[in-house]
Amino acid sequence: GESVGLHLPTLSVQEGDNSIINCAYSNSASDYFIWYKQESGKGPQFIIDIRSNMDKRQGQRVTVLLNKTVKHLSLQIAATQPGDSAVYFCAENGGGGADGLTFGKGTHLIIQP
Amino acid sequence: NAGVTQTPKFRVLKTGQSMTLLCAQDMNHEYMYWYRQDPGMGLRLIHYSVGEGTTAKGEVPDGYNVSRLKKQNFLLGLESAAPSQTSVYFCASRRYPDRGRNTQYFGPGTRLTVL
Repeated sequence: GESVGLHLPTLSVQEGDNSIINCAYSNSASDYFIWYKQESGKGPQFIIDIRSNMDKRQGQRVTVLLNKTVKHLSLQIAATQPGDSAVYFCAENGGGGADGLTFGKGTHLIIQP
Repeated sequence: NAGVTQTPKFRVLKTGQSMTLLCAQDMNHEYMYWYRQDPGMGLRLIHYSVGEGTTAKGEVPDGYNVSRLKKQNFLLGLESAAPSQTSVYFCASRRYPDRGRNTQYFGPGTRLTVL
């Protein structure tokens, strides 16, 4: 079936280093992907999105890369800060109708001082 | 501009009790959604609405009902709560159309425990 998943459940990085969070998807027809950040006790917060006609999109300190050949996308966070500690989800337009999103299970990003 | 708000923030129910979760958005968005999030998992779509007076089932609709009597509000009801409905519930809204994008804005969540 269609699914969006993540390679690693936890990622620990040193403050100031770059972080790379990976996500695999199985539906080759998926045409839109989003990254969300969820801090403890809060709702998901939009970070960046990318359409399937793009390979790369940059925001403020974040970059999303999409490789449609291997059905993989990644979120790169530059110069990781303590405030980046959170769970990061990739999501795609789901098959449930009216563009409800299908979420992966999440990666917990831990920042080491 | 409060964005998406949810009430209550926490609730404990006994099996068989009923309750209604309220979601409100002040962004004049057309589409609204209810998701649930279980430990260690991503969010799953329960129901959605594409406009006032319309609702539809999502991925996991059983045991829930919804209503959208006003554009800014989306209610999620549990008629007879079960322990399997213990979860964190998130509401989201989205403008439509949005130039091919699907940027959903989420509320802070309601943590529900069913004993």
